[in-house]
Order: sequence, then structure tokens, then C-alpha cells
Amino acid sequence: AQKVTQAQTEISVVEKEDVTLDCVYETRDTTYYLFWYKQPPSGELVFLIRRNSFDEQNEISGRYSWNFQKSTSSFNFTITASQVVDSAVYFCALSEAGAGGTSYGKLTFGQGTILTVHP
Amino acid sequence: GAVVSQHPSWVICKSGTSVKIECRSLDFQATTMFWYRQFPKQSLMLMATSNEGSKATYEQGVEKDKFLINHASLTLSTLTVTSAHPEDSSFYICSATVSGLAADTQYFGPGTRLTVL
Repeated sequence: AQKVTQAQTEISVVEKEDVTLDCVYETRDTTYYLFWYKQPPSGELVFLIRRNSFDEQNEISGRYSWNFQKSTSSFNFTITASQVVDSAVYFCALSEAGAGGTSYGKLTFGQGTILTVHP
Repeated sequence: GAVVSQHPSWVICKSGTSVKIECRSLDFQATTMFWYRQFPKQSLMLMATSNEGSKATYEQGVEKDKFLINHASLTLSTLTVTSAHPEDSSFYICSATVSGLAADTQYFGPGTRLTVL
């Protein structure tokens, strides 16, 4: 069975601090996909990134960066120079892959990390 | 692109009534849509997977007779909560998979907050 663990329930930082959100996953699949979503107070989930299990290259997008370590089954998310607008719940998710390498799309979510950035 | 809408955004109903929630993909055809439920301060739990033109696949523990799902077209899926009770009060979120483009990414609707009195 798949499992995603986000050990940090809540994180509080002051604006401009860097913050890392941890994500550890479990799966028996050799091909899988990892995601990060942001859920602001409005409730709508915003897609941030998708990474497949064969691509361990780290990625940077503006102030966001992701570190995928297959050896430790981790997919951590770092926000550099945090801003108040970054305050939200962040979810890490895992999906299994179907035939042909595409995902069935069935997501298993972690419990989420509530990030609060204070001015 | 890849916009998913839900209607209504919130609904309050009396216990015992039925409520229908619509999920639409606005600018793409979604062969697969998913329905999730999220209780306050909790994570999203998948309820069912809906494929156009076929019966939905429900997750273990989800009553298919209570949560009716219809996926009549490639852009619309509906979730009907039948005989709703206060314990059904939750945030219901749908998502859609973009067919043929980044097929592994789900795009989520804004959610529907259901309150059953």
C-alpha cells in the first residue's frame, strides 16, 4: 500500500526566512509520480510540481525548489525567502503508474503541513 | 489552461435531503475525474474515480448508494449525496486528469462546502 508522511504538522516562520517542508513516501511500485499541492485558505488546491520516479534531478522554480532523494524515499520542498502569501497548507502526494508509464491518477495524500509566514 | 469548476461552491441543506454537486472541466476533455472529501484540518481522502461513460469505482468504505456519481460527458461529472446527514458535512473536491497532456497531473476544482443541518 502507498503511504505519504508529512511529519511536520505546522511550521511558523518570519517573512524572508527559508523553510523546508518534508515528505517521505512508501510504495512498492518502481514507477510512480510525486506531487506537491498548495491549498490556500480559499480551499482550492494549486498544483506546484510533478516528478516521476525516474527523474531525480532537483528542480527550482523561482523561490521554490524540490529535492527528490529516491534512496531515502523523500521529496522535500523548500521555499526561499518566504512571503506572507506563502501561508497555506501544503500537501505532498503520490500516485501509482499504470500501463505504459502513465499514471492512473489515483493520488495518496500526506496529512499536509500548515505553513504560516508572519510579517 | 486546465481549469476545473465546481458548482455550487457552498450549500446548506436539511438532514434527509439530497444534494448534487457538479464538476466541470472548462477547457479540456477529462476522461477521468476524481472525487475527494476533506474534513476540517485533515487531508484529502479519495472517494471515487469516475470515467466517462462507465460506472464509478469507489474506494473502500465509501457507500456507493449514498454517494452517486455520474460522468455523462467528457467535461462533466456529478456527485449526489443522497439522504444527507450532519456527518456528511465536509469539503468535497473534484479533480480531472488532462487526457493526452501531462496525463499524470490532476487539476482540482475549487471545492464545495456542504453543511447538513
